[in-house]
Amino acid sequence: DAGVIQSPRHEVTEMGQEVTLRCKPISGHNSLFWYRQTMMRGLELLIYFNNNVPIDDSGMPEDRFSAKMPNASFSTLKIQPSEPRDSAVYFCASRTYRGLGGYTFGSGTRLTVV
Amino acid sequence: AQRVTQPEKLLSVFKGAPVELKCNYSYSGSPELFWYVQYSRQRLQLLLRHISRESIKGFTADLNKGETSFHLKKPFAQEEDSAMYYCALLIQGAQKLVFGQGTRLTINP
Repeated sequence: DAGVIQSPRHEVTEMGQEVTLRCKPISGHNSLFWYRQTMMRGLELLIYFNNNVPIDDSGMPEDRFSAKMPNASFSTLKIQPSEPRDSAVYFCASRTYRGLGGYTFGSGTRLTVV
Repeated sequence: AQRVTQPEKLLSVFKGAPVELKCNYSYSGSPELFWYVQYSRQRLQLLLRHISRESIKGFTADLNKGETSFHLKKPFAQEEDSAMYYCALLIQGAQKLVFGQGTRLTINP
C-alpha cells in the first residue's frame, strides 16, 4: 500500500492564481480529511468527507477555498484566487469510518503564494 | 467545547533525561486520544493511542480522566526523538480529529 498520496509536493504560485491540490486516499478508507498546517495556528481541519460526501466544511477559511471528492479514490482542494496568507502545508488524511485506528496522513503539499 | 491544549510550544531536554509532553483535553463524551509525531518536514505519523495502552519507541501515555490529561512520557530521551508532537482527540459522532497546537521537542546532546 502506497499510503495517502498527495500532489504536488511543492507549489509556488503568484497571488491571484488558481491552485489545485490533489489527494488519493488509501484504498478502502472511506473518510478523507484536509488539514492546513501553519506555524501560527498549528493543524486546522478544513473539511472532511465520509463516503465522498462533504460532512463538515466549517473550517474552510473563505469562499476562495473549495474541495471536492468525485469518487472514493480522489479529492481536490482548490484555492481561487490564491493569496500570500494561504501559504502553508496542506495535509490530506484518510481513515476507515469508525475504524479503530487513527488517521493516515499524506506527505503534504507545501504551498507558497508570492 | 471540544478542545485539546498543549501548553508548551517548545520543550528542550538533554539526551538521557526524562521527557514529558503535556496534553489536556475538554470533551463531554468518552475521549479517544492519540499522539502523533512529525519528524522534520515529514508526514504526521501515529505514535500511539490510549485504547491500545502500548509503548512505542519508549513512549507511553496514560489517560487520566480526572485531570482530563493524556501526557506523553519517556524515561530517557534520545536525540532521534527531536520532532513535533501533536496530541489529538477523536470527536465520536463526527469521527474527526481535533489537534492541539503541538509541542516542538528538541533533545540536546
